Amino acid sequence: EVQLVESGGGLIQPGGSLRLSCAASGFIVSSNFMTWVRQAPGQGLEWVSVIYSGGSTSYADSVKGRFTISRDNSKNTLYLQMNSLRVEDTAVYYCARESPGTGTADRWGQGTLVTVSS
Amino acid sequence: DIQMTQSPSTLSASVGDRVTITCRASQSISSWLAWYQQKPGKAPNLLIYKASSLESGVPSRFSGSGSGTEFTLTISSLQPDDFATYYCQQYRSYWTFGQGTKVEIK
Repeated sequence: EVQLVESGGGLIQPGGSLRLSCAASGFIVSSNFMTWVRQAPGQGLEWVSVIYSGGSTSYADSVKGRFTISRDNSKNTLYLQMNSLRVEDTAVYYCARESPGTGTADRWGQGTLVTVSS
Repeated sequence: DIQMTQSPSTLSASVGDRVTITCRASQSISSWLAWYQQKPGKAPNLLIYKASSLESGVPSRFSGSGSGTEFTLTISSLQPDDFATYYCQQYRSYWTFGQGTKVEIK
């Protein structure tokens, strides 16, 4: 069964750093496009970053230069390193797998809450 | 960047109603359009991809149509489990989501 489980969220002060993890099972992370999407409290969905099967990456302008997406093939795990966090980064962060069959996200994790506050 | 605009923002309907949600793209996205359902505290769930293809396991009362810049999601007969928020998403260039449509009980 395909499953994604995020962890690493929590309360952090502005300017701080946090690393989110997304442990995958039932498929190989490095063979798929993997994405982070976030949702601020009571708001809509915002694409954050993608890592392609070849290893190249892309970021939303709102996080470029502060966030880094990566993966550990040996652990079949996706990461999001978040530096210089801002209050406006407060959100539930979801990892998602892009299915080759649909061309978009067919599996999502349960989400992990990041709260940036002093 | 491609912007997505959904309407309405909120929709009040009764069980058995036919419901239509509209999504407009700021430029042509061909058929690279998906629809998701999200319930409170849960991750989004894929309903429709490539504008009109029904994801496996999704009830046939859900259907999608459109291409280019205008798209619709239709629920033919609203069921109690369908009260939720629906998002359109373009995936022609990265991903952009509409602002969401909350379907409420009338």
